[in-house]
Amino acid sequence: NAGVTQTPKFQVLKTGQSMTLQCAQDMNHEYMSWYRQDPGMGLRLIHYSVGAGITDQGEVPNGYNVSRSTTEDFPLRLLSAAPSQTSVYFCASSPLGGYGYTFGSGTRLTVV
Amino acid sequence: ELKVEQNPLFLSMQEGKNYTIYCNYSTTSDRLYWYRQDPGKSLESLFVLLSNGAVKQEGRLMASLDTKARLSTLHITAAVHDLSATYFCAVDINPRGAQKLVFGQGTRLTINP
Repeated sequence: NAGVTQTPKFQVLKTGQSMTLQCAQDMNHEYMSWYRQDPGMGLRLIHYSVGAGITDQGEVPNGYNVSRSTTEDFPLRLLSAAPSQTSVYFCASSPLGGYGYTFGSGTRLTVV
Repeated sequence: ELKVEQNPLFLSMQEGKNYTIYCNYSTTSDRLYWYRQDPGKSLESLFVLLSNGAVKQEGRLMASLDTKARLSTLHITAAVHDLSATYFCAVDINPRGAQKLVFGQGTRLTINP
């Protein structure tokens, strides 16, 4: 049972480039979320989804897009990377009616 | 805007000592979580607190929730080096729907032999 799998683990982008951070879970969880972690700021919610075809914005959605075509996958797209998006990104999932999230191992992104 | 504030943000203590980490939040919620994060690693769930007065214990860690005071505490008893990590509290601001967790800044705990 792999849980929540994120790829890649590390990525360096140039300003203006686009990329997709992948997230997949094999627990059939309805809820999935993306958080970013910056030093001294805890984790902040970017986008979340309550099921296939349903997404919504979190606290810091600007510069990011998401879609959810299947229950298993919830990719996060950076449209035009900026240095302010340098961060560690965590994907998380939870069952409907569950408590708390299971987190992936994270993607460390550096934008230069 | 919901604020979740932890204190202290940094804590250095000796093995065998007791200490408490505090988590204050600014809006009504009856769902609060504690997570542990080791350097370069993901977050590991420690405690789920779902009602006023809830108390959970696991080994040397004990967490409690006072929803009226909007306060949760994480108490460490007779600390050991293996408990060195960063600890986060998180409040669910949408407890009747899709979970939306707001995290505190984290408390970096270092336990010295």
